[in-house]
Amino acid sequence: QVQLVQSGAEVKKPGASVKVSCQASGYTFINYGISWVRQAPGQGLEWMGRISGYNGDTNFAQKFQDRVTMTTDTSTTTAYMELRNLRYDDTAMYYCARFGTTKVDYWGHGTLITVSS
Amino acid sequence: QSALTQPASVSGSPGQSVTISCTGTSGDVGSYNLVSWHQQHPGKAPKLIIYEVNKRPSGVSNRFSGSKSGNTASLTISGLQAEDEADYSCCSYAGSSTLVFGGGTKLTVL
Repeated sequence: QVQLVQSGAEVKKPGASVKVSCQASGYTFINYGISWVRQAPGQGLEWMGRISGYNGDTNFAQKFQDRVTMTTDTSTTTAYMELRNLRYDDTAMYYCARFGTTKVDYWGHGTLITVSS
Repeated sequence: QSALTQPASVSGSPGQSVTISCTGTSGDVGSYNLVSWHQQHPGKAPKLIIYEVNKRPSGVSNRFSGSKSGNTASLTISGLQAEDEADYSCCSYAGSSTLVFGGGTKLTVL
C-alpha cells in the first residue's frame, strides 16, 4: 500500500529555514511526482508546488517561488521541501502528497512547522 | 493562482443530500475535467474521494458523486451519515503541472 512518512514537528525562529522530508513506499517512486501542500491553523489547503520523481523537474505556486526548494533522492525514495526566510504566517501543517500528473491521490500524515521567536 | 471558491459551511440531517460548490475560472475548473475532492476529518490528513470530476477511488462510498458545469464543480453527498461530518476541499488542475485548492467547506451533520 502507498505510504508517505514525513519527518517530525519543528519549531523555528523567524528568518530561519526548515527542511521537511517525505519517504515514499508501496509504489514505483520515479513514476510519480510529489506535491507539497500546507494548511495554516483553521485555514484551507494551499498548494505549494510539485517535483517529478523521474527527473526532478519542479513547478511552484508563484507565492513560494522565491523561498522554496524541492528535491528528491531516488535511492531512498525520499522527497524534501525546504522553505527559507520563515515568517510567522508560515506556521502550518505541511503535507506531502503523491502527484499523479494531474491530481494528488495519497497524502502523508503532515509535519507541523511552528515559527516562533 | 487564486484559490477556488467554496462555501464556508453546509449542513444537513442524516439521510438527506447536500451539495458543495467549487467555483474557479476558465484557467482551471473551466478548462480541465480534472477536479478532485478531498475529505478531511479533524486532526487527520486529507483523503481523496473524487477525481476527474466524477470518478471514485476504490473503496469510496457511492454516496459521494461529483459533477461540473462551466467554471463550477460540485460534490454531492447523498444519504448523509454522521461519519460524513468533515471538511471538504476541491482541487483543480491549472495547467503546467500546477494545482489550485479551494478554501474548504465544513460539513455539519445535524
